[in-house]
Amino acid sequence: QSVLTQPPSVSEAPKQRVTISCSGSSSNIGNNAVNWYQQLPGTAPKLLIYYDDLVSSGVSDRFSGSKSGTSASLVISGLQSDDEADYYCATWDDNLNGYVFGSGTKVTVL
Amino acid sequence: QVQLVQSGAEVKRPGSSVKVSCKASGGTFGSYDISWVRQAPGQGLEWMGMIIPVFRTSQFAHKFQGRLTITSDESTRTAYMELSSLRSEDTAVYYCARRVATNGANWFDPWGQGTLVTVSS
Repeated sequence: QSVLTQPPSVSEAPKQRVTISCSGSSSNIGNNAVNWYQQLPGTAPKLLIYYDDLVSSGVSDRFSGSKSGTSASLVISGLQSDDEADYYCATWDDNLNGYVFGSGTKVTVL
Repeated sequence: QVQLVQSGAEVKRPGSSVKVSCKASGGTFGSYDISWVRQAPGQGLEWMGMIIPVFRTSQFAHKFQGRLTITSDESTRTAYMELSSLRSEDTAVYYCARRVATNGANWFDPWGQGTLVTVSS
C-alpha cells in the first residue's frame, strides 16, 4: 500500500480535461514538493511536473500541477490519444525518510 | 543532455545476487545523485535507495536495508545496484534515475531505460 493515494483510473474523451488527485499527509505532501511522472506503455517513467507546479523541459503546457495542503493534482487539458499512460505522483516522506510514489493512475482516452 | 544507459536483462536463481549498472553520458557525473526504483510486473513504482557521491553516502528504503548495495565509479561514470538474497518477489524492472535536489525538493530526471531481473528456479 502506497502512502500516496491516487484513483486507479480515469477516462475522458479527446480534447476534454482530466484531473488526477494525489492524497497524502503532513509527513509527505504537506511538507515537501510534489512531482508527477508519466509512464507510457512499455517505457521508463518520464518527469512531467516538478516542485509542485513546474513543467519539465520539453513537456507540453497541456499538463499542469498544483498542491494544496496534503493533496496535489495533475490536470491534462486537451486530452490526446498519446496521453494514454500511467501517471504517478511522488514526493519525499519525512517519517519514512525516503521517496514515495503514489499508487498510479491509468488514463484512458475514450 | 544527461543520458543513463543500463545493463541488460538478467535471470537469477533464488538466494543469489544481481548487480545492475547504470552508465551516464553528458554532464558532470561526480555531482550526480543516483536513485534506484523498481517496478514489479503490473505494479507501481517503488523507490529502493540512492547514492549521494558528494557526501560519500547512500540511503535506502527500510525494506531493502541489509540486502541492497549502491555504489558509483566516477572514473567510468557508472553507478551500480546490487541486490542480494533474491526471491521471486524481486522479479521486476529496475530503473536508475538521476536525482535533482534543490531548495529541499527533489525529483528524478532523466531515467535509464530499465533492466528486467527475473528470479526463478
